[in-house]
Amino acid sequence: NAGVTQTPKFQVLKTGQSMTLQCAQDMNHEYMSWYRQDPGMGLRLIHYSVGAGITDQGEVPNGYNVSRSTTEDFPLRLLSAAPSQTSVYFCASSYAGLAGADTQYFGPGTRLTVL
Amino acid sequence: GDSVTQMEGPVTLSEEAFLTINCTYTATGYPSLFWYVQYPGEGLQLLLKATKADDKGSNKGFEATYRKETTSFHLEKGSVQVSDSAVYFCALKTSYDKVIFGPGTSLSVIP
Repeated sequence: NAGVTQTPKFQVLKTGQSMTLQCAQDMNHEYMSWYRQDPGMGLRLIHYSVGAGITDQGEVPNGYNVSRSTTEDFPLRLLSAAPSQTSVYFCASSYAGLAGADTQYFGPGTRLTVL
Repeated sequence: GDSVTQMEGPVTLSEEAFLTINCTYTATGYPSLFWYVQYPGEGLQLLLKATKADDKGSNKGFEATYRKETTSFHLEKGSVQVSDSAVYFCALKTSYDKVIFGPGTSLSVIP
């Protein structure tokens, strides 16, 4: 298993550009999520999905869109990049089993800089 | 709303010292609790977890006990090593599947 994969690893955008961060998992996990990590802020949940066709907002959803058309993929779209979106982005997945005790598996991260 | 609070870092310890990183939470219902670790340049990985009150999670010499009465899940290790230098995140998973992380505590262990 490849686990959780993210592409690209690094990206530089200009203000106003759009792009999609890719995330895929091959573990048949139902639950997938996107976080951003900023110094002193820890990880903040952007969007999450409990299964194909179902998405919901996290703590900081503004400026980001997601969709979940398949179990494997959960892309994150930045429609009009802003310098405030400079961050490291992590995708995670887990099996949505009983009791909410699921281990989350994280991708290696995408480091995004918006100029 | 649901939240996780961790002690401020960074924490610097000498090798073989005792480690405690405090974590408290606010949540409705009965969340599951986790500690994740992030080594330099890597993504997060699960260190340990507990699913109900009084459960003790343990791994690699680290322990944490789910204390519902104090809404806490403090991380402890009796003797830290240089290889334990990392950022540690406390997290909870709510009954409606949202996972919330604390801000992280950076630990540096010096020989």
